[in-house]
This record gives sequence, C-alpha cells and structure tokens, in this order.
Amino acid sequence: DIVMTQSPLSLPVIPGEPASISCTSSQSLLHRNGYTCLAWYLQKPGQSPQLLISLVSNRASGVPDRFSGSGSGTDFTLKISRVEAEDVGVYYCMQDLQVPLTFGGGTKVEIK
Amino acid sequence: EVQLVESGGGLVQPGGSLKLACTTSGFTFSGSAIHWVRQAAGRGPEWVGRIKNKPNNYATAYAASVKGRFAVSRDDSENTAYLQMNSLRSEDTAVYYCTRRLETSGAFVDYWGQGTLVTVSS
Repeated sequence: DIVMTQSPLSLPVIPGEPASISCTSSQSLLHRNGYTCLAWYLQKPGQSPQLLISLVSNRASGVPDRFSGSGSGTDFTLKISRVEAEDVGVYYCMQDLQVPLTFGGGTKVEIK
Repeated sequence: EVQLVESGGGLVQPGGSLKLACTTSGFTFSGSAIHWVRQAAGRGPEWVGRIKNKPNNYATAYAASVKGRFAVSRDDSENTAYLQMNSLRSEDTAVYYCTRRLETSGAFVDYWGQGTLVTVSS
C-alpha cells in the first residue's frame, strides 16, 4: 500500500496570512498515462470532504484561486495564499494511483 | 447537479449485517466507478472498496480490513450502488461515504455523498 504522510498535524493561522501543507507519498504517484494521481480535500466541521485540487494542481470548480497545489513524484504541497475564516477544517491529501486509495493523516487548520 | 445520497445506516449488533445504498443523480452513472470510504469518529478517511463500470467488467476491490466480509455491487438501471456488510465488528463503526470516480483517463474522486452512520454495538 502507498503510505501518505502529511505535515503539520495542526496549523494555527492568522487571517490574511499564507499557509502551507506538505504531503509525501511512499512511492511515485505518476501514472503511466502521464497524470500524477494526487488530490487535496477539505473537510469542514460536520461535512463530508470536498475536492479542492485534483491531479496535483487543478483547482476544482468553485474553489477560490487562493488555493494552489504543486509538486511531483512523491512530494506535494497545498498552499493558501491568504487564509480566510471559511478555510478552517481538516485538509487531506489522497492518492488514487492504485487501490487501496490512501489518505494522509490530515492537517487541522484553525484560526489563531 | 451531481448528487450521491447514502442510506441504510443504523445500529447493528456485532456479527450482524447491513446493506447500504448509494443513490445517484445528475451524471452518467454507467460511466463512473463508485468507491466507498468510511470515517470513524475523530479519525481520517479510510478507503473501503470500489466497483468499476460495465466496460471494466464491474471489477471490484476491497481494503484488507473488510475483504471477505463486505461486497460492493451496483444496479445501473437504478443509478445505485450498494455496500453489503456482513460479520460486522465494533471497529466497523463509522460514517460511510460513497464517492464517484469517472472511468476516464486522468480521472479522480470528485463528489462525495453526505454519509450514513453505521454503529456496531451490543
């Protein structure tokens, strides 16, 4: 199984300040079709996870452009350029290169 | 609008069975794989299993923790997927989500249902 490791576990942020979350996979997520199978989800309190970023860097429909994803191979980053109060929740990276799909342990973003 | 709605959760005794349904609308169900993901209270999501579509022979796959006890199926005429859960254990207690993944190159898990709670307890 591919192990996904996220950091930090908790991220207190000041509104308007940037934030960054790292995700590392135990093996490359590059598919033979050329796509890299890494996505980011945000789970707001009491809700199901919602897609933010697919294929490393593609923002989902309706996701603000303050969110950006980058990386390749085994190292990935989610950045929020200026955190807003509505961004609080737990962020997960997930690989779907192969089953079992596996998730990072999550990063809880909260407002300072 | 893409929608996935889970149903069938509830309280069940250890060793019992439960069948969850994932009713979908707003997209071509037959063109998608359905993945089931669960989340125990205070924990991260855990992939449970998936079923591909007809062109992919309805191929199924399961997490090691549920293999031999859970089974995923689908009814394309009803745009619905199912998760049959047998020999339930206390550690199966979680919110169960169904999710969609298109069967195309460069696809990814995009939409999630709202989840249904399964509690295994005596």
